[in-house]
Amino acid sequence: EVQLVESGGGLVQPGRSLRLSCAASGFTFDDYAMHWVRQAPGEGLEWVSGISWNTDNIGYADSVKGRFTVSRDNAKNSLYLQMNSLRAEDTALYYCAKDKAPHITGTVDWGQGTLVTVSS
Amino acid sequence: QSALTQPPSASGSPGQSVTISCTGTRSDLGRYKDVSWYQQHPGKAPKLMIYEVNKRPSGVPDRFSGSKSGNTASLTVSGLQAEDEADYYCSSYAGSNSVVFGGGTKLTVL
Repeated sequence: EVQLVESGGGLVQPGRSLRLSCAASGFTFDDYAMHWVRQAPGEGLEWVSGISWNTDNIGYADSVKGRFTVSRDNAKNSLYLQMNSLRAEDTALYYCAKDKAPHITGTVDWGQGTLVTVSS
Repeated sequence: QSALTQPPSASGSPGQSVTISCTGTRSDLGRYKDVSWYQQHPGKAPKLMIYEVNKRPSGVPDRFSGSKSGNTASLTVSGLQAEDEADYYCSSYAGSNSVVFGGGTKLTVL
């Protein structure tokens, strides 16, 4: 059974940084691309970033490009999202998600999410 | 990276069929086969219902079906049941290692 457990969320001031982590289990982590998808309170889903199995292919939403960095450690079965220069509009539940393929397709299975609140 | 367009709401009575549309462009949904649909109940994580336009993951009832024509994809739920009431989101691969979601449709079972 695929298990994705996010951590690292919390309350942070605007302009500060935060690093999210996702611990994966139940599948061969380095066989799949991974993603971060967020959902602001009461809003829809927004794709944030994706990374292929070998990190050769990485993509970001325009809204986070230059501020967020995705990475993965296949030896630790872990996915990360470094979030810098945080803004109020980054407040959301951040989901870690597993792609169905080694490369980015966007078809994903989901974790339960970790909440990030950006506020002074 | 513009969001795909979905109607904000849809509804149907138990046993009826309802279709939700998802419109993109020829640069995203119209170009790629990686079109997916997700169901999200309140307070829960989304669940994959359809992938590659019309394929169902194991465990998803065959009451759920997907299709695509040009730049528009559709999700049809047949034989509506109370538990189908949820938010539904479409997504598509959009090229250059990017993905785009629709704004979501709230399905109400009357």
